[in-house]
Amino acid sequence: QVHLVESGGGVVQPGRSLTLSCAASGFTFSSFPMHWVRQAPGKGLEWVAVILYDGSNKYYADSVKGRFTISRDNSKDTLFLQMNSLRAEDTAVYYCARSYSSGWYFNFWGQGTLVTVSS
Amino acid sequence: SYELTQPPSLSVSPGQTASITCSGDNLGDRDASWYQQKPGQSPVLVIYQTSRRPSGIPERFSGSNSGNTATLTISGTQAMDEADYYCQTWDSSVVFGGGTKLTVL
Repeated sequence: QVHLVESGGGVVQPGRSLTLSCAASGFTFSSFPMHWVRQAPGKGLEWVAVILYDGSNKYYADSVKGRFTISRDNSKDTLFLQMNSLRAEDTAVYYCARSYSSGWYFNFWGQGTLVTVSS
Repeated sequence: SYELTQPPSLSVSPGQTASITCSGDNLGDRDASWYQQKPGQSPVLVIYQTSRRPSGIPERFSGSNSGNTATLTISGTQAMDEADYYCQTWDSSVVFGGGTKLTVL
């Protein structure tokens, strides 16, 4: 069955960088768009970014554009999120999620990894 | 940027029908999806492409979308349906509604 496991979260100071990973299994990784979605404590869901099949196309939320970079390694079935210039408002649980090929709705989610930006 | 608006909360008695709305400009022209999230858990897709249910989602969950409003309907609401519900749509980016806390009491 489909499994998505995030890692790399932790406490980081404002202005610093952090990279999240998401290990995928149970499906043909390269055949699906992959997304990052975040949820600040006690708040709603916020889409962060998507990367399409071979990684050539990427789209970002305005709130992270220019600071975050999504990438994927299809040889290792792994999704990444490089986060630079982190701010307190980036504090959230970060989920990786797989969407359908036919549309960007998320039928599989990881368990999430918590990123806390604090001095 | 596109926005989706949901009521913050809704209360329903067990066995009754819960209707959660999601409003956006010409939302009926877009795909709408719905997620259920219980405390401490990842979201679960309950409706996609406006009215389709993923496998394993009970038939009491249904969806519709017309004009400026998408609606998630839970018929015969059960205590286990108490959760936060989020609507979502997409084009070149993904947008979530702010979420509705459904209380079953």
